Amino acid sequence: DSGVTQTPKHLITATGQRVTLRCSPRSGDLSVYWYQQSLDQGLQFLIQYYNGEERAKGNILERFSAQQFPDLHSELNLSSLELGDSALYFCASSASPLTSGIADTQYFGPGTRLTVL
Amino acid sequence: ILNVEQSPQSLHVQEGDSTNFTCSFPSSNFYALHWYRWETAKSPEALFVMTLNGDEKKKGRISATLNTKEGYSYLYIKGSQPEDSATYLCAFPYRAGNMLTFGGGTRLMVKP
Repeated sequence: DSGVTQTPKHLITATGQRVTLRCSPRSGDLSVYWYQQSLDQGLQFLIQYYNGEERAKGNILERFSAQQFPDLHSELNLSSLELGDSALYFCASSASPLTSGIADTQYFGPGTRLTVL
Repeated sequence: ILNVEQSPQSLHVQEGDSTNFTCSFPSSNFYALHWYRWETAKSPEALFVMTLNGDEKKKGRISATLNTKEGYSYLYIKGSQPEDSATYLCAFPYRAGNMLTFGGGTRLMVKP
């Protein structure tokens, strides 16, 4: 158990809908990262937050957005869902994104499996 | 876009065999290299973070070495056990923000 929690575990929805995935980082960790694992792709970085502020963006679609709240939990919002958005979405957390943070271990949550029908 | 490559893609070994696989990454602007172990239906589990050229890390029967000048890292498993069956991922932080670029992984299957 990494200490990172994600809800829900599974989500089944229809095309065009909007969903929210939730992540609680490990106690004390200020950074949250979101990754996507599609069937035909490896783990892809989406977005990073540090202490409530966006710090880095990867190949995140405009239909996707995220935020980190004052209690440090984070939500990933996916809208106008398409079949291709079906994937495993992981959240990870680490202590700090600063220079020393490059070597910080990222601890992964159990993931949310999203199925878009 | 960073190119992080792992080989082989998959590996079948017998229980008791020792094995190793490779992660190749850009040798310029090296920050760190992460190794993860990912079992089916679980989340990636951190094994090592390596930062210095010549670094060697060990955790039980698993060890890793790092060559930043030539841009590769090896992961070794001594005396493989069925519970070692998993996908082993390496990841390279891109920029100071620590966003990880993952390799495609090496899927290890250990037969009893």
